[in-house]
Amino acid sequence: GESVGLHLPTLSVQEGDNSIINCAYSNSASDYFIWYKQESGKGPQFIIDIRSNMDKRQGQRVTVLLNKTVKHLSLQIAATQPGDSAVYFCAENTGNQFYFGTGTSLTVIP
Amino acid sequence: DSGVTQTPKHLITATGQRVTLRCSPRSGDLSVYWYQQSLDQGLQFLIQYYNGEERAKGNILERFSAQQFPDLHSELNLSSLELGDSALYFCASSVADRDTEAFFGQGTRLTVV
Repeated sequence: GESVGLHLPTLSVQEGDNSIINCAYSNSASDYFIWYKQESGKGPQFIIDIRSNMDKRQGQRVTVLLNKTVKHLSLQIAATQPGDSAVYFCAENTGNQFYFGTGTSLTVIP
Repeated sequence: DSGVTQTPKHLITATGQRVTLRCSPRSGDLSVYWYQQSLDQGLQFLIQYYNGEERAKGNILERFSAQQFPDLHSELNLSSLELGDSALYFCASSVADRDTEAFFGQGTRLTVV
């Protein structure tokens, strides 16, 4: 199967600081990537996506960076807020399947 | 609210039993995905349907089956349930069959006792 892994299982940041969540993927043929946020007791929520023909994409307070050379994906959250506390998953799309990593738990310290 | 509806929200059943989980995709979405999320685990892809036809299959056990109906809702059938089948089961839907954002439902929490 495919492998999508996260470098750090947990991350704690101070409110107002920037957060960076990293993800490594294994399939160089993957051409579409998504970051999801999952709060306790809820389904994953789309944050931002990026296609393989791009190396950066910005949303509201979030930026995704894609480095295809080293098969690495990162999610940057600016001015992290308490409401950002959740588990973050990266997912790679290969063919018709999305492969998810085990997630990084982000805790925002007030 | 993602627009994806899953029922029931919670299900408790005994080992050996059979259950059916239901998913209504967002209006206009043709693709439905099923995922299993066990405690402290990531999301494991089970199966995908697109416009009524099976499109991709992941780590789905032979005891599990799914289908997508003409009205595009989908059902996941789990049979001969084991304790290890206890998990959150998510349904997601998307407009296309690949390379597009998928919207997740709130999940069905299945507990097998």
